[in-house]
Amino acid sequence: EAGVAQSPRYKIIEKRQSVAFWCNPISGHATLYWYQQILGQGPKLLIQFQNNGVVDDSQLPKDRFSAERLKGVDSTLKIQPAKLEDSAVYLCASSLENLAYEQYFGPGTRLTVT
Amino acid sequence: KQEVTQIPAALSVPEGENLVLNCSFTDSAIYNLQWFRQDPGKGLTSLLLIQSSQREQTSGRLNASLDKSSGRSTLYIAASQPGDSATYLCAVRFYSGTYKYIFGTGTRLKVLA
Repeated sequence: EAGVAQSPRYKIIEKRQSVAFWCNPISGHATLYWYQQILGQGPKLLIQFQNNGVVDDSQLPKDRFSAERLKGVDSTLKIQPAKLEDSAVYLCASSLENLAYEQYFGPGTRLTVT
Repeated sequence: KQEVTQIPAALSVPEGENLVLNCSFTDSAIYNLQWFRQDPGKGLTSLLLIQSSQREQTSGRLNASLDKSSGRSTLYIAASQPGDSATYLCAVRFYSGTYKYIFGTGTRLKVLA
């Protein structure tokens, strides 16, 4: 079974530029999550999708971050414009239908904002 | 405020030792708790998932327990090996009207050969 795929693996941009990350979840997983992990901290949930609907985006900085999951499969997370404090690893995870199931994580995208 | 704490932040043990990692949470209204390991530069690997109605889960040399009343979970690793060296994270799904999924900051484990 293929795991969660993410791209790119690494990205370096200057502040005020925009960037987008892509995630392809495990086939058949209805729930998709985006996390931000700052060095030395645990991951912080940014947004959770159930199919193509948003379940929780309470910690997403909506003035600069946006995410979509068209057709309930792949998802993209965008930052525009980026700030220095956005430097982090962005992790995508997926799980089966409901909250009782395990989350499976992709390898992450390491973003450096200079 | 719902919080998840992991102490210690780092731990070094000699190979073969049995060890316990701790995870504390502030709200007993939890839905489930999941333990992960994270290797440097990699994503998270799921180890064990405990539902709120369960007391423990086992997988190989790993055993995780859950005590909601005291707000604690422990991850027991038997006969540790150098390959167990990684950061171990616990994540709690709280429920108080809405669901919130919060990670601890992790325990960085080093098993010395």
